[in-house]
Parts: sequence; C-alpha cells; structure tokens
Amino acid sequence: RKEVEQDPGPFNVPEGATVAFNCTYSNSASQSFFWYRQDCRKEPKLLMSVYSSGNEDGRFTAQLNRASQYISLLIRDSKLSDSATYLCVVTDSNYQLIWGAGTKLIIKP
Amino acid sequence: SQTIHQWPATLVQPVGSPLSLECTVEGTSNPNLYWYRQAAGRGLQLLFYSVGIGQISSEVPQNLSASRPQDRQFILSSKKLLLSDSGFYLCAWSPRGDSPLHFGNGTRLTVT
Repeated sequence: RKEVEQDPGPFNVPEGATVAFNCTYSNSASQSFFWYRQDCRKEPKLLMSVYSSGNEDGRFTAQLNRASQYISLLIRDSKLSDSATYLCVVTDSNYQLIWGAGTKLIIKP
Repeated sequence: SQTIHQWPATLVQPVGSPLSLECTVEGTSNPNLYWYRQAAGRGLQLLFYSVGIGQISSEVPQNLSASRPQDRQFILSSKKLLLSDSGFYLCAWSPRGDSPLHFGNGTRLTVT
C-alpha cells in the first residue's frame, strides 16, 4: 500500500459545480497535512494547510479524518482557473513530507 | 518576505555532460532545503534534503549529488548525465520539518 494515495482522475467537472477529493494516508502517526495545487509545467504551490478541526479559505474547505486516515478538499462554485493537479502531502513521524501523486481536475465551461 | 530563486529555467544537455543547478533562498536563516524531481506526468520524487550547511541526506541512490556550501544555497550536480535524468527539477525550502514547503520555479532538464 502506498503511504499517500490519491485518485489520479481526471475529474471533469462543469463550471460552478462542487467537487471533492480525498487523500488517504497509511501512517497513523502523521502530524501535518497540506494541499498543494500544481498547474501544468509549473511548480506546486501551497493551497492550504489542513487542521484537525477543518478549515476553510474562500471556496476551499479542507478536512482531516484521523480515524479513517484521510484528508479531503472541497471546492465550491468551481472556476475554470481551478483546473490543475491537486497534491496532498502528509508528514511522517520524522517530519518528512510524503507526497501523493496528485488528482487532476478539469473544469469545463 | 522569503523568496527562493532557482536557475536556469530550462536546460538541454547531452548525455555524459555535467550538470549544476543552483538554488538560493532569501529572507530566512537556516532553512531546510530540498531537491525534488518530477518526471513527466508523475509525482514528486525527493532526491536530497539538507537541514544545515554541509548536511545532505540522499533519498535515492543515483548519479546525482547535492551540496550546501552556504546556509541559503543548495546545489544539485552530476558528473555525467543519463537520458533518465530528464525531468522537472524543483528546489524547495521550509522553516522546519513539519512546515509546508515553498518551491522555486523549477528547472526543466532535457538530456539528449
């Protein structure tokens, strides 16, 4: 089993819809969780950290479920500019970052 | 504010040639520094990370090496490039191990 798993997609979603991704992790001792977005041929950029109580930033909501060992990202009212690959990152017990392979999102007009 | 600079943006090198990619961070002290590689359509592969000057940890044995001659400078090198070294090389920094990483713009390397 991979340490961090994501559905590679692509998710084809109409503009304005709500879309959600999950990311599962295998190490129950994981401490920190993040979502990044990566545009084609660009570097990954931090989208948001994921806190235990869940957190929201505009149209984006991140949640952590420690019992089931997954994090989620919800995007509401999706825009064409949300098209990207979304990477989840989890730290292990040594604070090393473990990256998922990413979920590709395509927002269609 | 902190910034990270990575160059060159693109590079085409013949097989067997040497490589040197440089990364510098400004606006912070004693950052953790990282080199990643991303093959086309694939995930991020950690190559090296450093928690201080002269301290380099290698994650993947290969013909690449890294050095940290100064606190905020991280260099990725190879004596002889292979075709399989082609990819998107990303330098990143973080203030400490459990913080998110911040990436440079990356270097797209094509070995011909």
